[in-house]
Amino acid sequence: NAGVTQTPKFRILKIGQSMTLQCAQDMNHNYMYWYRQDPGMGLKLIYYSVGAGITDKGEVPNGYNVSRSTTEDFPLRLELAAPSQTSVYFCASSPGLSNQPQHFGDGTRLSIL
Amino acid sequence: QKEVEQDPGPLSVPEGAIVSLNCTYSNSAFQYFMWYRQYSRKGPELLMYTYSSGNKEDGRFTAQVDKSSKYISLFIRDSQPSDSATYLCAMTFGYKAAGNKLTFGGGTRVLVKP
Repeated sequence: NAGVTQTPKFRILKIGQSMTLQCAQDMNHNYMYWYRQDPGMGLKLIYYSVGAGITDKGEVPNGYNVSRSTTEDFPLRLELAAPSQTSVYFCASSPGLSNQPQHFGDGTRLSIL
Repeated sequence: QKEVEQDPGPLSVPEGAIVSLNCTYSNSAFQYFMWYRQYSRKGPELLMYTYSSGNKEDGRFTAQVDKSSKYISLFIRDSQPSDSATYLCAMTFGYKAAGNKLTFGGGTRVLVKP
């Protein structure tokens, strides 16, 4: 049982480069989320989606874009990488009901130099 | 002021001791409260999930919620070295239309020494 799968696990980017972080879930969850976690900090929500074709901004959306064309996939795009985007990125999913929590992937560690 | 406050630690205890963790929050609209455990270089995994005030027990873990004080706690009995991790509290308003978004505390790093 794969759950939430994130790729790649590690990546180093140069300033100004672009990349897409991939997230896939096999639990048929409607809701999906992207978070970033900086050292010693909790998780901050970047974007979320309540279903295919529906996305909305979280707390820290600047510099990122998302799309949700299928229930399973929720990629996160960095267009012009900046050093401030060095972080660990986590994707999560949930069925969407209030009493059902979010399940997380193991993260993508991204360094921008 | 952060919406959810959590002491970053580290909290170091001997094996077998009780680990006591807590979070305070400012928004009384939070309805659902969670504790996640995060091992190094791994994603958070759900430990406990509670709704409104009261206690919930699961094995060695007990979660408490006091909504009147805006205070939640997690107790780990008979702690083991394998409990060494960062513990994150999280909470949500529970509004499905708002995406059931979670607000996290900053996490407390726990070290259980053999």
